[in-house]
Amino acid sequence: GAVVSQHPSWVICKSGTSVKIECRSLDFQATTMFWYRQFPKQSLMLMATSNEGSKATYEQGVEKDKFLINHASLTLSTLTVTSAHPEDSSFYICSAPGLAPNPTDTQYFGPGTRLTVL
Amino acid sequence: GNSVTQMEGPVTLSEEAFLTINCTYTATGYPSLFWYVQYPGEGLQLLLKATKADDKGSNKGFEATYRKETTSFHLEKGSVQVSDSAVYFCAFYNFNKFYFGSGTKLNVKP
Repeated sequence: GAVVSQHPSWVICKSGTSVKIECRSLDFQATTMFWYRQFPKQSLMLMATSNEGSKATYEQGVEKDKFLINHASLTLSTLTVTSAHPEDSSFYICSAPGLAPNPTDTQYFGPGTRLTVL
Repeated sequence: GNSVTQMEGPVTLSEEAFLTINCTYTATGYPSLFWYVQYPGEGLQLLLKATKADDKGSNKGFEATYRKETTSFHLEKGSVQVSDSAVYFCAFYNFNKFYFGSGTKLNVKP
């Protein structure tokens, strides 16, 4: 079946630095990808929708300048956490819909990236 | 607003025990309901779904019934196996978005 990968799977960085997380669709093309974050014992929350060749759509309350999203190709979306702070520490997950008409049945998720900011 | 509440884990069971993971939701309208499973090191995978009231979704021995009157979608399995150890997420899809619960970790011991 379709696979979505994320890199890195975990990252530790110092406060004030920027971190880039990659999301790749390995055997299918994705014009749209979704980015989620999850705090411990809380729900997965949609952060933004990444659109190939155009600007991302951010959910209310998500800082666009803080979480930069680039969807430069049909198989790659990147999330850059700029000037990271400890409160940005979280689990970040991406997903991409497959080709079937019903996006809910063919939503493929990456394994997630654990970010820890010291 | 839209939200999903599921029981906090971890849930620890012995092999062949009965499993219930509770899930309730608050949503506008009557959305499709889902259970996703995440095995260690892998992405979330669709386990089962139900698209309308009284529908029962089932897969791999797991079942869940769409209960409109109680806004619930509890996950059940009659006899769990060690290989069922994973994190389970309840979710619904409404207005082109997924809304997820916080996940329930299941540990099954031999």
